[in-house]
Amino acid sequence: QKEVEQNSGPLSVPEGAIASLNCTYSDRGSQSFFWYRQYSGKSPELIMSIYSNGDKEDGRFTAQLNKASQYVSLLIRDSQPSDSATYLCAVNSGSARQLTFGSGTQLTVLP
Amino acid sequence: NAGVTQTPKFQVLKTGQSMTLQCAQDMNHNSMYWYRQDPGMGLRLIYYSASEGTTDKGEVPNGYNVSRLNKREFSLRLESAAPSQTSVYFCASSERDQPQHFGDGTRLSIL
Repeated sequence: QKEVEQNSGPLSVPEGAIASLNCTYSDRGSQSFFWYRQYSGKSPELIMSIYSNGDKEDGRFTAQLNKASQYVSLLIRDSQPSDSATYLCAVNSGSARQLTFGSGTQLTVLP
Repeated sequence: NAGVTQTPKFQVLKTGQSMTLQCAQDMNHNSMYWYRQDPGMGLRLIYYSASEGTTDKGEVPNGYNVSRLNKREFSLRLESAAPSQTSVYFCASSERDQPQHFGDGTRLSIL
């Protein structure tokens, strides 16, 4: 059973702070990693993808990957109330490259 | 650009009724997927199609059937709906190892 684990939260941070979201995965063969944002009642929206160890930055978002520790994280700098959503970690693995999703972390940014 | 289009957006069924959820993508992707999302459980893969003419079971295939009609279209059928199939259903498409793009979802209630 390939598993992806996230802290379900809820996580609350004040506006302007850094939000840190974490994800661990069980399949050492995993090669592609994604963070999706999902607003209530909406579909998942891709915000970051990362394929190799290290950091990847895109605007206020930074994804971090450590394959040895089987750990991927998402940092959101200068958090805004509009960042309030559920963040889904997804890991692509196996011969068929199926995506396995974590259950999501609910983030609330307080004005 | 439409992306991934799902129909219908909402549906209420009675136990034992059948219905087909439709999905079409205009991004020329080879792979298409059907997920269900239940509260607190993230997205779970029902069936996927790695390429036109192929379909495979995902994590929760029981009670469902799929058809990859052509490269654009991938339908999900409930032959005899059960209350346990009340959920939000998402269709997605992608190229291998690339991020998946999601439709807006179908909210299905089975009484």
